[in-house]
Amino acid sequence: LAKTTQPISMDSYEGQEVNITCSHNNIATNDYITWYQQFPSQGPRFIIQGYKTKVTNEVASLFIPADRKSSTLSLPRVSLSDTAVYYCLVGDMEDNNDMRFGAGTRLTVKP
Amino acid sequence: GAVVSQHPSWVICKSGTSVKIECRSLDFQATTMFWYRQFPKQSLMLMATSNEGSKATYEQGVEKDKFLINHASLTLSTLTVTSAHPEDSSFYICSAGLAGDWDTQYFGPGTRLTVL
Repeated sequence: LAKTTQPISMDSYEGQEVNITCSHNNIATNDYITWYQQFPSQGPRFIIQGYKTKVTNEVASLFIPADRKSSTLSLPRVSLSDTAVYYCLVGDMEDNNDMRFGAGTRLTVKP
Repeated sequence: GAVVSQHPSWVICKSGTSVKIECRSLDFQATTMFWYRQFPKQSLMLMATSNEGSKATYEQGVEKDKFLINHASLTLSTLTVTSAHPEDSSFYICSAGLAGDWDTQYFGPGTRLTVL
């Protein structure tokens, strides 16, 4: 699985858009990109997943450039409740579902 | 949506005892489940892959005789921490995959184990 690199922490204010970028230079053809959100003492929750270009759902957007060596999770108009750790990881679609998490980005949203 | 439950949500036990943690996929069948461990302020670390009807596959450095995994049905996997010690105190999380959904993992709420 490709190794991922994310910023350790980010600060933002309520109502702002937050963009968290993840680097995965060695991403393979079969790898897809998934982002998870984790609150303290809870299991990570799936946010969004993509393979290329742009994916959008009700909570976030995921931007993936053509070379797929990075991806950016975009959270529109964050609130205090979005304070959490966000994990980016890549997984092989041909492999057996396993996921390995990197260190994650600790997002703190301030009032 | 796909829901994964874990039981218990927290457990405190004495050193030397064994603790069993259950992971259930409530509304879907999961041929594969994963067990993770998370120490404070650290990322999740994959411990093992649990396959229904076969032996679990353990990550390097994880003692298979200490962390017993049983995946007896398509909706239940159990992790038993045998002869637990204080250093086993951690947050244990399981996940299950929904086949045909780009292998998206659905995570349980986690179990906090404290060994005294």
